[in-house]
This record gives sequence, C-alpha cells and structure tokens, in this order.
Amino acid sequence: DAKTTQPPSMDCAEGRAANLPCNHSTISGNEYVYWYRQIHSQGPQYIIHGLKNNETNEMASLIITEDRKSSTLILPHATLRDTAVYYCIVRVNTNAGKSTFGDGTTLTVKP
Amino acid sequence: EPEVTQTPSHQVTQMGQEVILRCVPISNHLYFYWYRQILGQKVEFLVSFYNNEISEKSEIFDDQFSVERPDGSNFTLKIRSTKLEDSAMYFCASSEIGQAYYEQYFGPGTRLTVT
Repeated sequence: DAKTTQPPSMDCAEGRAANLPCNHSTISGNEYVYWYRQIHSQGPQYIIHGLKNNETNEMASLIITEDRKSSTLILPHATLRDTAVYYCIVRVNTNAGKSTFGDGTTLTVKP
Repeated sequence: EPEVTQTPSHQVTQMGQEVILRCVPISNHLYFYWYRQILGQKVEFLVSFYNNEISEKSEIFDDQFSVERPDGSNFTLKIRSTKLEDSAMYFCASSEIGQAYYEQYFGPGTRLTVT
C-alpha cells in the first residue's frame, strides 16, 4: 500500500469548513483513497473513499487532485462532535485489502 | 443501522492466561478482520479471515494468536498465553463481499489489560 502523509494536528472553528489534506505521491493506479476517523478510543469509522473523481456523501466531500498524488477531506460545517483523529488510507479495493493506518490528523473543533 | 459488536468491552487478565475476545460481525458480511491499538500508538492490522481461512496476517499475529468462526455469527480472537505487551484495544471489523467498494465496519473494541 502507498504511504500517506498528513499534518499531525489542525484546529477548526465550529460551523466552519474543515479541510484535511493528505499526500499520497506513490499511489498506484488501482489504489483507492479511503478516509476514516477515530473519536477518542472508539473503533475507526468509515467516512468516504474515492479513486479519481471527487466524491460527496452525507458526512463529507473528498477532493482528489488530477494526478492523484494528494487529496483533501472536507467537513463542510464542523461540529464539536467532529473532533477526532482522521486517517487517510490508500489501499487496493479488495475485500482482502487490509487498512494500514498512519498517525492521522488530530482535528480539534473549537466553539 | 447494523453494527459490529464486541464483548467484553474490557478484559483484565494475568500474564500467561488465555483470553478469547468475541465479535459479532454484521450479518451479511463475509470478510472479517482483527486490528489492535496499543495506547497512544497506531491502529495495527493483525489478521483477515474469509471462508473459514486466514487470508492475510501480520508479523504481530504469531503462534500465540488464533482466530475462529465457531458458528454462523461469532468471530473470535484467542491469545493463548498473554504477555504484558498484549495490553491494547482490539478492534474487530467486517466487510461485505460483492460490493463495488470494500468499506470496513469496525466494532467499538475490547480493552485488554494484562497484569
């Protein structure tokens, strides 16, 4: 699996958009970008994934650059409950593909 | 919404004892995983399991570890002789087969404390 690089921490004001970047310059053509988050010590929670097109769901939007070497997760209106560690994971899109977690970005949403 | 459940939420055991951590994956899922997270460290992959066989395991998953699907609903992780360094949160995950993508659903975890 390709390696990812994320900033260790970010702050965001409540109600504002949170933009979390991820670099994955060694991503290969069959690897997808997945985002998970972990609130406190709970189990990781799936947020969104994409291959090359931008994606949006009820939780977030994912913007992937045209060269696929980086991506940005956008939480459009961050709330205090979005405070968590956010992980960007690159993996092959198969059932057997394990998720390799890095250190992630600790997002703190402040009132 | 269906979810992965794990029991117990917290297990305390003495070094050298055997422990079994239990997971009930989402009912129509066929791929199962165990991960662990030592306090303050990364979430680490241990093993994946499909069709009653281990699909992949990490170097952490040595002979002290085993997994089993004893019936149609449970998925277990056994640690034969626990060590202090086995103290961690253990997360079970499952994913559905035949989908266009393979989102892994994680359970809430079991905190294992080895004394």
